[in-house]
Amino acid sequence: KNEVEQSPQNLTAQEGEFITINCSYSVGISALHWLQQHPGGGIVSLFMLSSGKKKHGRLIATINIQEKHSSLHITASHPRDSAVYICAVPTGAGNTPLVFGKGTRLSVIA
Amino acid sequence: EAGVAQSPRYKIIEKRQSVAFWCNPISGHATLYWYQQILGQGPKLLIQFQNNGVVDDSQLPKDRFSAERLKGVDSTLKIQPAKLEDSAVYLCASRGGGEAFFGQGTRLTVV
Repeated sequence: KNEVEQSPQNLTAQEGEFITINCSYSVGISALHWLQQHPGGGIVSLFMLSSGKKKHGRLIATINIQEKHSSLHITASHPRDSAVYICAVPTGAGNTPLVFGKGTRLSVIA
Repeated sequence: EAGVAQSPRYKIIEKRQSVAFWCNPISGHATLYWYQQILGQGPKLLIQFQNNGVVDDSQLPKDRFSAERLKGVDSTLKIQPAKLEDSAVYLCASRGGGEAFFGQGTRLTVV
């Protein structure tokens, strides 16, 4: 069974700071998901990546398959980035369910 | 492309009452999941459907929870009777092309 560890659990940053959230998993995977959850509960998929790096606006996600580790970076953070960021990996091949980390609660202060 | 639709968004019930949640996945997605997310924790899988068949319901408390996806499209999740510890956000997700798409969730409070 794949186990997912995220760090830090909570993070408070000043507006404009560069933010890094880390994720480690125990079993080799085909792709890793980074998700964002706002207080209302809905989850939005930010990235799905299987190698290297992806960038979308101020968000950058990297993955090292050999080390079973991924990072999510936010450049020039803004209060609207405040949310819970969750790392998730599949339990197996194909459309198997995702196993989720406990999430990182980010608060960006103006 | 329309997203995953869920209703209701919020529900407050008393313990021992019953409740039902509805999910409409993205058109064409054969795989549908229901997750339970207790405050402060990551979502936990309750049940996975492939079309109208159940793939995995090993973590579904079958004495009180039930789910169906009769025509392989919409799905309903029911709790009867509800307990205080069922208070959580219930998320529906569908999967296509490897990527997962989530609904807004239903926040259930059992009092």
